[in-house]
Amino acid sequence: NAGVTQTPKFQVLKTGQSMTLQCAQDMNHNSMYWYRQDPGMGLRLIYYSASEGTTDKGEVPNGYNVSRLNKREFSLRLESAAPSQTSVYFCASTSRGALDTQYFGPGTRLTVL
Amino acid sequence: RKEVEQDPGPFNVPEGATVAFNCTYSNSASQSFFWYRQDCRKEPKLLMSVYSSGNEDGRFTAQLNRASQYISLLIRDSKLSDSATYLCVAYTGGFKTIFGAGTRLFVKA
Repeated sequence: NAGVTQTPKFQVLKTGQSMTLQCAQDMNHNSMYWYRQDPGMGLRLIYYSASEGTTDKGEVPNGYNVSRLNKREFSLRLESAAPSQTSVYFCASTSRGALDTQYFGPGTRLTVL
Repeated sequence: RKEVEQDPGPFNVPEGATVAFNCTYSNSASQSFFWYRQDCRKEPKLLMSVYSSGNEDGRFTAQLNRASQYISLLIRDSKLSDSATYLCVAYTGGFKTIFGAGTRLFVKA
């Protein structure tokens, strides 16, 4: 039982490059989330998926797209990376909704040059 | 103004000490509150929920003061392993949870 897994763990991009961050959970959770964490700012919600087949914008969605591929997987795509997207990205899942315990993946450290 | 504010610290305390953190929230509609713990370069993990009546889990006590809009976390008999960043979280409904930036704690031998 791996919980929430994320790939890659580290990534360096040049401005304008694209990439997809992958997230998978094996807890049969319905809801999944993507956050970014920047120094002094706490985790901020980028997008979430309340259930398979639905996705919604969070607090900071600009520059990102998501896909809920199936119940297990929720990917985050940066179409044209910018230095402002340098951050640590965490995926999380909950059984039902945001009131439940959020289980986080180990994070992806992204640097955009 | 941030919706959830925490003193960033760091709090440096000796082993065995008692330490308390406060967290203030600005949205009076916030329904539920949590404390998460985040070790250096790791993911956040739930430490405890905060109930209106206050709750205790071993050496940890969490309290909520709705009138003043703050929650607190008290750690008694601090251990070296308590060194971490403690994140205050407010749930405001739907899929919206607001994370504070965290309070760093260092427990020294």
